[in-house]
Amino acid sequence: DVKVTQSSRYLVKRTGEKVFLECVQDMDHENMFWYRQDPGLGLRLIYFSYDVKMKEKGDIPEGYSVSREKKERFSLILESASTNQTSMYLCASRNTPNQPQHFGDGTRLSIL
Amino acid sequence: AQSVSQHNHHVILSEAASLELGCNYSYGGTVNLFWYVQYPGQHLQLLLKYFSGDPLVKGIKGFEAEFIKSKFSFNLRKPSVQWSDTAEYFCAVVSGGYNKLIFGAGTRLAVHP
Repeated sequence: DVKVTQSSRYLVKRTGEKVFLECVQDMDHENMFWYRQDPGLGLRLIYFSYDVKMKEKGDIPEGYSVSREKKERFSLILESASTNQTSMYLCASRNTPNQPQHFGDGTRLSIL
Repeated sequence: AQSVSQHNHHVILSEAASLELGCNYSYGGTVNLFWYVQYPGQHLQLLLKYFSGDPLVKGIKGFEAEFIKSKFSFNLRKPSVQWSDTAEYFCAVVSGGYNKLIFGAGTRLAVHP
Protein backbone atom coordinates (compact mmCIF):
# COMPACT_ATOMS: atom_id res chain seq x y z
CA ASP A 1 0.00 0.00 0.00
CA VAL A 2 1.20 3.48 -0.82
CA LYS A 3 2.47 5.46 2.12
CA VAL A 4 2.76 9.23 2.01
CA THR A 5 4.32 10.54 5.20
CA GLN A 6 4.26 14.14 6.32
CA SER A 7 6.85 14.99 8.93
CA SER A 8 4.58 16.81 11.37
CA ARG A 9 0.91 16.45 12.21
CA TYR A 10 0.74 19.78 14.04
CA LEU A 11 3.09 22.74 13.84
CA VAL A 12 3.04 26.17 15.44
CA LYS A 13 5.33 28.90 14.14
CA ARG A 14 5.68 32.66 14.43
CA THR A 15 5.14 35.34 11.81
CA GLY A 16 8.26 35.91 9.73
CA GLU A 17 9.79 32.50 10.40
CA LYS A 18 10.97 30.27 7.55
CA VAL A 19 8.95 27.07 7.74
CA PHE A 20 9.73 23.71 6.17
CA LEU A 21 7.09 21.03 5.61
CA GLU A 22 8.43 17.66 4.55
CA CYS A 23 6.75 14.89 2.61
CA VAL A 24 8.08 11.45 1.74
CA GLN A 25 6.47 8.74 -0.39
CA ASP A 26 7.60 5.14 -0.56
CA MET A 27 6.24 4.00 -3.93
CA ASP A 28 8.72 5.57 -6.34
CA HIS A 29 6.01 7.87 -7.66
CA GLU A 30 6.96 10.39 -10.33
CA ASN A 31 4.48 13.12 -9.40
CA MET A 32 4.13 14.90 -6.08
CA PHE A 33 1.82 17.71 -4.98
CA TRP A 34 1.29 20.20 -2.17
CA TYR A 35 -2.20 21.48 -1.37
CA ARG A 36 -3.71 23.59 1.32
CA GLN A 37 -7.15 22.75 2.65
CA ASP A 38 -9.38 25.49 4.05
CA PRO A 39 -13.05 25.24 5.13
CA GLY A 40 -15.40 26.06 2.28
CA LEU A 41 -12.57 26.23 -0.26
CA GLY A 42 -11.69 22.57 -0.67
CA LEU A 43 -8.13 21.73 -1.69
CA ARG A 44 -6.09 24.28 -3.59
CA LEU A 45 -2.90 23.34 -5.38
CA ILE A 46 0.19 25.25 -4.26
CA TYR A 47 3.00 23.57 -6.21
CA PHE A 48 3.63 20.26 -7.90
CA SER A 49 6.55 18.32 -9.25
CA TYR A 50 6.62 15.89 -12.12
CA ASP A 51 10.18 14.74 -11.63
CA VAL A 52 13.27 15.28 -9.53
CA LYS A 53 14.45 18.89 -9.51
CA MET A 54 11.38 19.89 -11.47
CA LYS A 55 8.60 22.10 -10.10
CA GLU A 56 5.55 23.88 -11.41
CA LYS A 57 3.36 26.52 -9.82
CA GLY A 58 -0.13 25.56 -8.90
CA ASP A 59 -3.05 27.91 -8.34
CA ILE A 60 -1.80 29.67 -5.19
CA PRO A 61 2.04 29.65 -5.17
CA GLU A 62 2.56 33.12 -3.67
CA GLY A 63 4.54 33.02 -0.45
CA TYR A 64 5.66 29.42 -0.98
CA SER A 65 8.49 27.59 -2.64
CA VAL A 66 9.32 23.89 -3.03
CA SER A 67 12.28 21.59 -3.33
CA ARG A 68 12.56 18.14 -4.85
CA GLU A 69 16.16 16.97 -4.65
CA LYS A 70 15.23 13.29 -4.42
CA LYS A 71 12.37 11.41 -6.02
CA GLU A 72 10.78 10.33 -2.77
CA ARG A 73 10.88 13.69 -0.99
CA PHE A 74 9.01 16.91 -1.73
CA SER A 75 9.44 19.86 0.60
CA LEU A 76 7.20 22.90 0.93
CA ILE A 77 8.84 26.09 2.19
CA LEU A 78 7.14 29.14 3.60
CA GLU A 79 9.79 31.79 3.05
CA SER A 80 8.43 34.22 5.66
CA ALA A 81 5.36 32.84 7.38
CA SER A 82 2.29 35.01 7.69
CA THR A 83 -0.94 34.50 9.62
CA ASN A 84 -2.92 33.95 6.42
CA GLN A 85 -0.87 30.82 5.84
CA THR A 86 -2.46 29.16 8.85
CA SER A 87 -4.06 26.11 7.27
CA MET A 88 -4.04 22.35 6.78
CA TYR A 89 -1.34 21.34 4.31
CA LEU A 90 -1.69 18.10 2.35
CA CYS A 91 0.94 16.29 0.35
CA ALA A 92 0.04 13.80 -2.37
CA SER A 93 1.77 11.59 -4.87
CA ARG A 94 0.83 9.54 -7.91
CA ASN A 95 2.64 7.35 -10.40
CA THR A 96 1.17 8.58 -13.70
CA PRO A 97 -1.45 11.19 -14.67
CA ASN A 98 -4.09 8.48 -15.09
CA GLN A 99 -3.63 7.15 -11.58
CA PRO A 100 -5.36 8.56 -8.49
CA GLN A 101 -3.37 10.62 -6.03
CA HIS A 102 -2.46 9.23 -2.61
CA PHE A 103 -2.53 11.66 0.28
CA GLY A 104 -0.63 12.08 3.51
CA ASP A 105 -2.32 12.71 6.86
CA GLY A 106 -1.79 16.44 6.61
CA THR A 107 0.05 19.05 8.67
CA ARG A 108 -2.06 21.52 10.58
CA LEU A 109 0.07 24.66 10.61
CA SER A 110 -0.69 27.62 12.84
CA ILE A 111 1.15 30.90 12.35
CA LEU A 112 0.97 33.18 15.38
CA ALA B 1 -10.39 27.32 -16.48
CA GLN B 2 -11.96 24.12 -15.29
CA SER B 3 -13.94 24.40 -12.06
CA VAL B 4 -15.90 22.00 -9.88
CA SER B 5 -19.08 22.85 -7.99
CA GLN B 6 -20.45 20.86 -5.09
CA HIS B 7 -23.91 22.12 -4.35
CA ASN B 8 -24.30 21.02 -0.76
CA HIS B 9 -21.79 22.22 1.80
CA HIS B 10 -23.42 20.48 4.76
CA VAL B 11 -25.75 17.49 4.71
CA ILE B 12 -27.35 15.90 7.76
CA LEU B 13 -29.05 12.52 7.47
CA SER B 14 -30.36 9.79 9.69
CA GLU B 15 -29.02 6.27 9.37
CA ALA B 16 -30.61 4.26 6.53
CA ALA B 17 -31.51 7.40 4.58
CA SER B 18 -30.47 7.63 0.96
CA LEU B 19 -27.67 9.97 -0.06
CA GLU B 20 -27.01 11.96 -3.19
CA LEU B 21 -24.24 14.56 -3.33
CA GLY B 22 -24.11 16.81 -6.36
CA CYS B 23 -21.01 17.57 -8.40
CA ASN B 24 -20.78 19.60 -11.61
CA TYR B 25 -17.73 20.54 -13.63
CA SER B 26 -17.45 23.37 -16.10
CA TYR B 27 -15.61 22.06 -19.18
CA GLY B 28 -16.75 19.27 -21.46
CA GLY B 29 -14.75 16.92 -23.58
CA THR B 30 -12.84 14.01 -22.17
CA VAL B 31 -12.77 14.13 -18.39
CA ASN B 32 -11.39 11.99 -15.61
CA LEU B 33 -13.49 12.31 -12.46
CA PHE B 34 -12.94 11.31 -8.84
CA TRP B 35 -14.68 11.27 -5.51
CA TYR B 36 -12.45 11.36 -2.43
CA VAL B 37 -13.53 10.99 1.19
CA GLN B 38 -11.90 12.30 4.35
CA TYR B 39 -13.04 10.64 7.57
CA PRO B 40 -12.47 12.62 10.78
CA GLY B 41 -8.76 12.69 11.61
CA GLN B 42 -7.78 10.64 8.57
CA HIS B 43 -6.17 11.31 5.22
CA LEU B 44 -8.09 11.73 1.98
CA GLN B 45 -8.76 8.44 0.30
CA LEU B 46 -10.19 7.50 -3.05
CA LEU B 47 -13.85 6.51 -3.06
CA LEU B 48 -14.25 5.92 -6.79
CA LYS B 49 -13.10 7.16 -10.18
CA TYR B 50 -14.37 7.46 -13.73
CA PHE B 51 -12.10 7.48 -16.77
CA SER B 52 -14.21 5.91 -19.52
CA GLY B 53 -16.72 3.14 -20.18
CA ASP B 54 -19.79 2.46 -18.08
CA PRO B 55 -20.97 5.83 -16.74
CA LEU B 56 -22.23 4.19 -13.55
CA VAL B 57 -19.19 3.65 -11.38
CA LYS B 58 -19.15 1.60 -8.20
CA GLY B 59 -16.72 2.40 -5.43
CA ILE B 60 -15.86 1.23 -1.95
CA LYS B 61 -18.32 0.96 0.96
CA GLY B 62 -21.43 0.79 -1.24
CA PHE B 63 -20.96 4.16 -2.92
CA GLU B 64 -21.61 4.73 -6.60
CA ALA B 65 -21.51 7.70 -8.94
CA GLU B 66 -23.08 8.40 -12.30
CA PHE B 67 -21.33 10.37 -15.02
CA ILE B 68 -23.85 12.30 -17.13
CA LYS B 69 -21.94 14.02 -19.90
CA SER B 70 -24.86 16.16 -21.10
CA LYS B 71 -25.27 17.62 -17.61
CA PHE B 72 -21.53 17.91 -16.81
CA SER B 73 -22.34 16.02 -13.62
CA PHE B 74 -20.85 13.25 -11.52
CA ASN B 75 -23.17 12.81 -8.55
CA LEU B 76 -22.33 10.50 -5.68
CA ARG B 77 -24.99 8.17 -4.29
CA LYS B 78 -25.52 5.62 -1.57
CA PRO B 79 -28.88 3.90 -1.00
CA SER B 80 -28.58 3.61 2.79
CA VAL B 81 -26.04 5.57 4.82
CA GLN B 82 -24.46 4.49 8.07
CA TRP B 83 -23.10 6.50 10.99
CA SER B 84 -19.60 5.53 9.82
CA ASP B 85 -20.16 7.47 6.57
CA THR B 86 -19.84 10.72 8.51
CA ALA B 87 -17.02 12.47 6.65
CA GLU B 88 -16.18 15.20 4.17
CA TYR B 89 -16.57 14.29 0.52
CA PHE B 90 -14.69 15.94 -2.33
CA CYS B 91 -15.38 15.76 -6.03
CA ALA B 92 -12.38 16.33 -8.33
CA VAL B 93 -11.69 16.52 -12.05
CA VAL B 94 -8.42 16.19 -13.94
CA SER B 95 -7.60 19.31 -15.90
CA GLY B 96 -4.91 20.99 -17.88
CA GLY B 97 -1.74 19.98 -19.64
CA TYR B 98 -0.19 18.59 -16.48
CA ASN B 99 -3.34 16.66 -15.54
CA LYS B 100 -3.77 18.58 -12.32
CA LEU B 101 -6.65 17.72 -10.01
CA ILE B 102 -9.23 20.45 -9.51
CA PHE B 103 -11.26 19.94 -6.32
CA GLY B 104 -14.69 21.09 -5.32
CA ALA B 105 -15.21 22.87 -2.01
CA GLY B 106 -16.32 19.66 -0.31
CA THR B 107 -19.51 18.46 1.37
CA ARG B 108 -19.59 17.67 5.08
CA LEU B 109 -21.91 14.76 5.75
CA ALA B 110 -23.15 14.04 9.27
CA VAL B 111 -25.11 10.83 9.82
CA HIS B 112 -27.07 10.55 13.04
CA PRO B 113 -27.82 7.14 14.56
